[in-house]
Amino acid sequence: ETGVTQTPRHLVMGMTNKKSLKCEQHLGHNAMYWYKQSAKKPLELMFVYNFKEQTENNSVPSRFSPECPNSSHLFLHLHTLQPEDSALYLCASSQDLLQPQHFGDGTRLSIL
Amino acid sequence: KQEVTQIPAALSVPEGENLVLNCSFTDSAIYNLQWFRQDPGKGLTSLLLIQSSQREQTSGRLNASLDKSSGRSTLYIAASQPGDSATYLCAVRGNSGNTPLVFGKGTRLSVIA
Repeated sequence: ETGVTQTPRHLVMGMTNKKSLKCEQHLGHNAMYWYKQSAKKPLELMFVYNFKEQTENNSVPSRFSPECPNSSHLFLHLHTLQPEDSALYLCASSQDLLQPQHFGDGTRLSIL
Repeated sequence: KQEVTQIPAALSVPEGENLVLNCSFTDSAIYNLQWFRQDPGKGLTSLLLIQSSQREQTSGRLNASLDKSSGRSTLYIAASQPGDSATYLCAVRGNSGNTPLVFGKGTRLSVIA
């Protein structure tokens, strides 16, 4: 039990589908993050939210749309993805932007 | 731009051996450095965090050292066990405001019983 829960754990979708990834934390943290982990590449930071406000968008294509309705929940809305978007998407949270991050187990996304 | 390199990319050792994983970073102006463990199909678990003012941190059989001036950190695992098999990731945070973590590609460790 990591304290950060991601659903679904696995997702297979076509390039024209719309789906959403969900992340939930009950650690009382104020910052939440989306990362992408592809084979043979380092973890890539995608988005950062602090107190529900987006503080970082790391040049992510607009087919990825984050949403943070409150400090406990973070979504990643997916639309018209490409095969190269297949990866493990990890969510993390931290007390603030300088404290250690706690990670969820990720959503394994496959684009057909 | 900060870059983090981990060597070796993969390592296989017999059970009981002591081993060292290496991490190097190009910009020595860091706030802290963190070692993570990742099991297959799982997220990251934080193992040790070293602040820039510290030289090392220890937790059980794990010892992490930091030489900021040379841009290096090592993770020492004593008396390795099959349960230590995982990918170990190093990440650094810069000291300019709220800079994000920059990760290495990791070292995949296999401990053979």
